[in-house]
Amino acid sequence: AQSVTQLGSHVSVSEGALVLLRCNYSSSVPPYLFWYVQYPNQGLQLLLKYTSAATLVKGINGFEAEFKKSETSFHLTKPSAHMSDAAEYFCAVSGDAGNMLTFGGGTRLMVKP
Amino acid sequence: SAVISQKPSRDICQRGTSLTIQCQVDSQVTMMFWYRQQPGQSLTLIATANQGSEATYESGFVIDKFPISRPNLTFSTLTVSNMSPEDSSIYLCSVEGTGSSYEQYFGPGTRLTVT
Repeated sequence: AQSVTQLGSHVSVSEGALVLLRCNYSSSVPPYLFWYVQYPNQGLQLLLKYTSAATLVKGINGFEAEFKKSETSFHLTKPSAHMSDAAEYFCAVSGDAGNMLTFGGGTRLMVKP
Repeated sequence: SAVISQKPSRDICQRGTSLTIQCQVDSQVTMMFWYRQQPGQSLTLIATANQGSEATYESGFVIDKFPISRPNLTFSTLTVSNMSPEDSSIYLCSVEGTGSSYEQYFGPGTRLTVT
């Protein structure tokens, strides 16, 4: 069965610093992978997705993620954090279960001034 | 991507009562999904709703507690029945994207508090 593990339920960075949010997945078939962001009191917004085209995927708001099959990882990065990036980030996978998404536990990103 | 709205955006309900949450999409979609997000937790799929057929529930969720309607290709409702404080959560609906990569687009959610 497909699964997602997000290492670190809370990540704190200084404004301007590198953001790295970790995601590892398990899937018995080539997966589709997604990162979503949830701002306070809002729904989920799709940041980016991996669909087996390019392994380095660029998303909105300057985020990008790299698919590494050998490491079963799909870590999310941003070179320079902004205060507005403070939110909850969810990694998700589909593939094993068809179109069903399985979500990781989420990582709360805090950005310090 | 589809534009999804939900009503109500939030509600405070007494235990033992029921609440029906509406989800409206601005385009026709085949599949709609209902999720629960308990406080400080990730999303858990409740059920998948296809137009014209019974909803498919995930393990741990039953139709008597969470009846779902899907009368057409742009609308669905989720009812939380006989509520208890443990039902206090955010309930989100989502729809599948038009591509083949299974991305989903989410509504803003309904924040439910049961007292």
